[in-house]
Amino acid sequence: AQSVTQLGSHVSVSEGALVLLRCNYSSSVPPYLFWYVQYPNQGLQLLLKYTSAATLVKGINGFEAEFKKSETSFHLTKPSAHMSDAAEYFCAVRVSGRRALTFGSGTRLQVQP
Amino acid sequence: NAGVMQNPRHLVRRRGQEARLRCSPMKGHSHVYWYRQLPEEGLKFMVYLQKENIIDESGMPKERFSAEFPKEGPSILRIQQVVRGDSAAYFCASSRGAKNIQYFGAGTRLSVL
Repeated sequence: AQSVTQLGSHVSVSEGALVLLRCNYSSSVPPYLFWYVQYPNQGLQLLLKYTSAATLVKGINGFEAEFKKSETSFHLTKPSAHMSDAAEYFCAVRVSGRRALTFGSGTRLQVQP
Repeated sequence: NAGVMQNPRHLVRRRGQEARLRCSPMKGHSHVYWYRQLPEEGLKFMVYLQKENIIDESGMPKERFSAEFPKEGPSILRIQQVVRGDSAAYFCASSRGAKNIQYFGAGTRLSVL
């Protein structure tokens, strides 16, 4: 069975600082990995996805994530935080043969002025 | 091109009543997924349907919950005899095919009094 662990339920950064949101997964087979963002009272929006092509994946809004098989990680980064990045971020995994996504518990990002 | 539409956005029910949540997938999408998000938690998969068929209901509670996706009309998640523990946000996602990206609706927030 696959699972996702997001370290840090709350992360606070200053505007302009580096954003690093951590995600580790466990899966017995090569996974597909996703990052979604959820703004208050809205649905989830896909930021980026890894599907076994390039290990460094670029997404929308300046976010990117690197797949590291040896560390079973898929951390999300952004060089410079904007106030508009304040939201909840979810890492998710899907394994071949299953259609359901398994989500982490989420990380709430606060951006301080 | 409208996204995934869910209604109602907010639903209040008293214990013992029935709740019906509706989901209209994106145009051209024939795969629908339902997820539940409890407060301060990530999304948990409930059920995956294609037109007129339930493909995977491994995440559905065994009692009181049912889902359908008829040939015509939206997908319906039905909760009979609601209890306070059913209070949550219920998200629907749709995809064009089984391996395609899932796009999420804005969710229905169910409150059980």
